[in-house]
Amino acid sequence: DGGITQSPKYLFRKEGQNVTLSCEQNLNHDAMYWYRQDPGQGLRLIYYSQIVNDFQKGDIAEGYSVSREKKESFPLTVTSAQKNPTAFYLCASSTRTGTVNTEAFFGQGTRLTVV
Amino acid sequence: LAKTTQPISMDSYEGQEVNITCSHNNIATNDYITWYQQFPSQGPRFIIQGYKTKVTNEVASLFIPADRKSSTLSLPRVSLSDTAVYYCLLSNNLFFGTGTRLTVIP
Repeated sequence: DGGITQSPKYLFRKEGQNVTLSCEQNLNHDAMYWYRQDPGQGLRLIYYSQIVNDFQKGDIAEGYSVSREKKESFPLTVTSAQKNPTAFYLCASSTRTGTVNTEAFFGQGTRLTVV
Repeated sequence: LAKTTQPISMDSYEGQEVNITCSHNNIATNDYITWYQQFPSQGPRFIIQGYKTKVTNEVASLFIPADRKSSTLSLPRVSLSDTAVYYCLLSNNLFFGTGTRLTVIP
């Protein structure tokens, strides 16, 4: 089945540690995105990538890093520089924005808790 | 990039029709308007998309006036399970914003 998979579903991290969230898609989509969602809030864009080996900062990129070495994969690293990393993280993929019928498909999310 | 504006929250009784309006004054000529629904602890899912006039599917209708500076998502006869956050987006970007939190009351 085609889809987008995030892992793990729950993640606990000690303060000062980096942690990497996985996102894989087999939809052959060019574009991939990472969002952060805090309780009762909307989605805020962290990073996005329209093509392999290229990515752009979103609204809240500080303290995060990404890579896009393969079309299928867009891992997100939450670094120790992120002051308040506890949140729900969502990965999405789509055809390139600006094209007709762009529709985003989301993973089930990773809930990160700093302990 | 053009962004959208929606009401923060709405309440409705079960069985009523709900209309959620979205403003997008700076919409580009090649933008499509897309609506998503999100339940707690899940990723948003696509509901409906349109370019102009009216689009209808098994879940909702989307009304877009001729100037395309706004759009209205219409949910017929809502049930408790329609309680969710609804987001309006333009296809040239995936800026979700805060969305509209719809609460359906028994």
